[in-house]
Amino acid sequence: QKEVEQDPGPLSVPEGAIVSLNCTYSNSAFQYFMWYRQYSRKGPELLMYTYSSGNKEDGRFTAQVDKSSKYISLFIRDSQPSDSATYLCSQTLTGGGNKLTFGTGTQLKVEL
Amino acid sequence: EADIYQTPRYLVIGTGKKITLECSQTMGHDKMYWYQQDPGMELHLIHYSYGVNSTEKGDLSSESTVSRIRTEHFPLTLESARPSHTSQYLCASGGLAATQFFGPGTRLTVL
Repeated sequence: QKEVEQDPGPLSVPEGAIVSLNCTYSNSAFQYFMWYRQYSRKGPELLMYTYSSGNKEDGRFTAQVDKSSKYISLFIRDSQPSDSATYLCSQTLTGGGNKLTFGTGTQLKVEL
Repeated sequence: EADIYQTPRYLVIGTGKKITLECSQTMGHDKMYWYQQDPGMELHLIHYSYGVNSTEKGDLSSESTVSRIRTEHFPLTLESARPSHTSQYLCASGGLAATQFFGPGTRLTVL
């Protein structure tokens, strides 16, 4: 069983839709949770990070962490064609040297 | 502007050649990392460093080696490239609260 599971998609939505991207993880010791956006043939770009459980909002993006169910989500409101990319979730332990464990990523396509 | 740089962006090379992938950052970070990513697959950590003269192997076994002589520079070397080394190599530096910032990557093809 992989430590981090993520539906690879592709997920196709119309412009303006609310998008929900999700990850599940198995290691209950994970404390830091991050979402990265990766455009084709580019390096990942940090979008959001949260510590422990709870919600965090930044513009059109909201990250949610539910440690009791080992489930993390990224919501994108008013999705735009420029949001079309692969979204990677990642986690790490406190004191783990910041070694991140990544999911395979979910490919999102926002269509006009 | 603080950033992280990788060169070359693309490299096509023959089997048996020695190659060095360059990574530099101007973010002032002590921690640096190398990941390998194949299409549709997750990133795998192959090397990391906590500072000058510190290097460790990551979770994915790799025939590559790294060095950290200067804080801002973290090159990766393959002594003898093989087709199985064909992949995308991503360098990152570690910021606050476990965040990592990635370079644009080097796409390596070994013929």
